Amino acid sequence: DIQMTQSPSFLSASVGDRVTINCKASQNINRYLNWYQQKLGEAPKLLIYNANSLQTGIPSRFSGSGSGTDFTLTISSLQPEDVATYFCLQHNSWPNTFGAGTKLELK
Amino acid sequence: EVQLVESGGGLVQPGRSMKLSCAASGFTFSNYGMAWVRQAPTKGLEWVATISYDGSSTYYRDSVKGRFTISRDNAKSTLYLQMNSLRSEDTATYYCTRYGHRGIDYWGQGVMVTVSS
Repeated sequence: DIQMTQSPSFLSASVGDRVTINCKASQNINRYLNWYQQKLGEAPKLLIYNANSLQTGIPSRFSGSGSGTDFTLTISSLQPEDVATYFCLQHNSWPNTFGAGTKLELK
Repeated sequence: EVQLVESGGGLVQPGRSMKLSCAASGFTFSNYGMAWVRQAPTKGLEWVATISYDGSSTYYRDSVKGRFTISRDNAKSTLYLQMNSLRSEDTATYYCTRYGHRGIDYWGQGVMVTVSS
């Protein structure tokens, strides 16, 4: 199975900060990497698909980059409503595997 | 609006069976693959099983092969997960998800399954 190493596990930032979260795959997954946001008590929501494509309806402050084994989710200017857990998913090969998650809080 | 609503969870004894359902709405169900994903308490997310849009292909993680069966009824826009010979390690929140060329793009709220005597 492909291992997805996500960092950091926990992140504290201020409103307006630029925030980056990383996922590293144990082997090449091309660009088949998605990013999700999960707020407390809610279903996960797709933010970015295929490494850098913004899902419909998602604010443009969210962006994704990377290919191969190293990927980054960036929030350009953190907003209070961005408090959530973020996780990545590789869908290059079976079984699809997830990062362990990053819990983002406001400082 | 895409909606996925799971049902059928609860407490079950080890070795027994349980069937989860997922009612889909807001999209043409028969056009999409579907998948079940689970998350054990304090653990990470884990893909369980996937079924193609027409039900002709299925994929399972090794730990559930031979015990779990994913199926669908396109006429009812419903996804199922039949879980047999349940073990304590199957205790988790189970999510119904829509699966396409973007990978998983929609998730249900999840349903809790607790395997305990």
